[in-house]
Amino acid sequence: DARVTQTPRHKVTEMGQEVTMRCQPILGHNTVFWYRQTMMQGLELLAYFRNRAPLDDSGMPKDRFSAEMPDATLATLKIQPSEPRDSAVYFCASARQGMNTEAFFGQGTRLTVV
Amino acid sequence: SQQGEEDPQALSIQEGENATMNCSYKTSINNLQWYRQNSGRGLVHLILIRSNEREKHSGRLRVTLDTSKKSSSLLITASRAADTASYFCATDGDGGSQGNLIFGKGTKLSVKP
Repeated sequence: DARVTQTPRHKVTEMGQEVTMRCQPILGHNTVFWYRQTMMQGLELLAYFRNRAPLDDSGMPKDRFSAEMPDATLATLKIQPSEPRDSAVYFCASARQGMNTEAFFGQGTRLTVV
Repeated sequence: SQQGEEDPQALSIQEGENATMNCSYKTSINNLQWYRQNSGRGLVHLILIRSNEREKHSGRLRVTLDTSKKSSSLLITASRAADTASYFCATDGDGGSQGNLIFGKGTKLSVKP
């Protein structure tokens, strides 16, 4: 049963600490999205990759957030230093290349910065 | 922004009734998708409608698309308590092939048994 795997599922950290979230896309999917979900803002697209290359990261605060794909089976989202306003659920999704394809979501990482 | 906007924000109905949710967007699209999210879970794809399609069915789901009005609707017929969830529409990039996926803020549907 192919699925997108995100780790950790939950993370509580102190302000100022570095946070790394990981995502394993579905094998064969070459497009990866990172979203942040909060009650106030809803689902915000932070960044997305195709064939491991970043296509758009304009939704991401550049001073503290970074997203990478070290290889086709791993995507990372890093926050350094973290702040309380970063508290949210972060979702990774993957899709096959193409204009009319669905995205498959992971279960999310619930981040709490205290 | 091309973000979709769902309407209403919240909807409460009785089991057996139909639920209709609407989505409006701002720019040209290749397709429009609807997703469902149960509380505390990831989003699950429901249905995709291409820009050259006007209506699509999948089980109890019916989706319409009006590109002239830049709007779509999702109808769930004969609703069940298990349909209780948030429903989101998502649109892809500005008619181009970049394939990003922008979501609206969702409609929270509550189906009472």
